[in-house]
Amino acid sequence: NAGVTQTPKFQVLKTGQSMTLQCAQDMNHEYMSWYRQDPGMGLRLIHYSVGAGITDQGEVPNGYNVSRSTTEDFPLRLLSAAPSQTSVYFCASSYGEMNTEAFFGQGTRLTVV
Amino acid sequence: GNSVTQMEGPVTLSEEAFLTINCTYTATGYPSLFWYVQYPGEGLQLLLKATKADDKGSNKGFEATYRKETTSFHLEKGSVQVSDSAVYFCALRSMEYGNKLVFGAGTILRVKS
Repeated sequence: NAGVTQTPKFQVLKTGQSMTLQCAQDMNHEYMSWYRQDPGMGLRLIHYSVGAGITDQGEVPNGYNVSRSTTEDFPLRLLSAAPSQTSVYFCASSYGEMNTEAFFGQGTRLTVV
Repeated sequence: GNSVTQMEGPVTLSEEAFLTINCTYTATGYPSLFWYVQYPGEGLQLLLKATKADDKGSNKGFEATYRKETTSFHLEKGSVQVSDSAVYFCALRSMEYGNKLVFGAGTILRVKS
């Protein structure tokens, strides 16, 4: 059982470049989300989706786009990378109910130079 | 909005010492409460959860009790091991907040042999 798969694991971008972080889950979860992890700030929600075709903004959405065309995939797009987007990015999925466990990918460490 | 406050780390303990990591929360409605653990180089994984007041979550010798009167969910373990060294995150989800998972800043635990 693969769970939540994120690619790539590491990425270095130049300022102004764009890229897509991939996230796929095989658990038929409705709820998927993207977080960034920065030292001393925990995980902050970027965007989330409650099902295919439905996305919404989280706490720190600026500079990022998402789409959810299938239940399985939830890619995160950086439109024009900035050094402030240097971070570790985690994708998570879960069932929609509030008492259910979220499953996390291994993370993508992104450096913008 | 919903928020979680954790004690700052790092927390450094000797093997077999008693562990407490404090967590308090602010939430609308009746949230579910979680502790997640992140081992070096990995994504987060659920450690334990509690879904209503006075519930006690437990796993791998760790415990936490959902205290509505003090809005707290402190993590405890009677005797820590070197293998418990990790980052611990307190988190909550509530229906009134769109079931979004909200994290504290995380507490680094280091256990010395």
